[in-house]
Amino acid sequence: EAQVTQNPRYLITVTGKKLTVTCSQNMNHEYMSWYRQDPGLGLRQIYYSMNVEVTDKGDVPEGYKVSRKEKRNFPLILESPSPNQTSLYFCASSSKTGGGSGELFFGEGSRLTVL
Amino acid sequence: QQPVQSPQAVILREGEDAVINCSSSKALYSVHWYRQKHGEAPVFLMILLKGGEQKGHEKISASFNEKKQQSSLYLTASQLSYSGTYFCGTEGASKIIFGSGTRLSIRP
Repeated sequence: EAQVTQNPRYLITVTGKKLTVTCSQNMNHEYMSWYRQDPGLGLRQIYYSMNVEVTDKGDVPEGYKVSRKEKRNFPLILESPSPNQTSLYFCASSSKTGGGSGELFFGEGSRLTVL
Repeated sequence: QQPVQSPQAVILREGEDAVINCSSSKALYSVHWYRQKHGEAPVFLMILLKGGEQKGHEKISASFNEKKQQSSLYLTASQLSYSGTYFCGTEGASKIIFGSGTRLSIRP
C-alpha cells in the first residue's frame, strides 16, 4: 500500500530536549516536504526536498533542521524545541519536482506538544 | 506569500452548491486543492496546471485563471461527505504554499 509514515504520532516533550520526527514514503517519490498546521493559519511549509541531498527552506524554517540522505526518508529535527513549536506536523511526498509537482500524499500527522 | 481563500466558512444544506475561491499575488505554475476532515490528513482533490490541464476528482470541478492568479473550486449538489476544510495550494518555484482554509459544513 502506497503510504507516507510518520513517527511518533503524538509526543509531549520539554523545552530544549532534542527530538526527531521521522518520515518515510514507499512510493519512490523525489519530492518531500514538511508542513506545520496551526489553527487559523492553514498548512505552512517548513522545509522541502527535491531529491536526495537537495533541501531548501520553506516559509517557517526557524528552529528546524532536515536531512535527505535516502530517497525514502526525510526526518524533521528540532534541536532545541520551544513552546511555539507546539503544533500538528505533516510530512508529504510527491512524484514530481518543481515546475508542476504531482499530488501531495500526506502522512497521518504528528502532534507535538512542547512544555 | 500565502494565498487568500474565501469564504473562510460556509454552511450548506445537502444538495446545495458552493464555490470556494483562492487568490494569489504571485505568478503560479499550478493550483492544488485538498480536503481535510477533522483529525485526518489532507487528501488530494485536484490539480490545475498552467495551460488548462486538470487532474482530479470526478464530482468536483475547478477553474484556474492564470492571468488573474485565481482559482475557484465548485462543489455541486453537495453531500454530507463533502464536509471538511478545503485548502488551496499555489505552486511556484517548487514550493507549494497553502491558504488558511475554508471550513465547509453540510446539514441534512
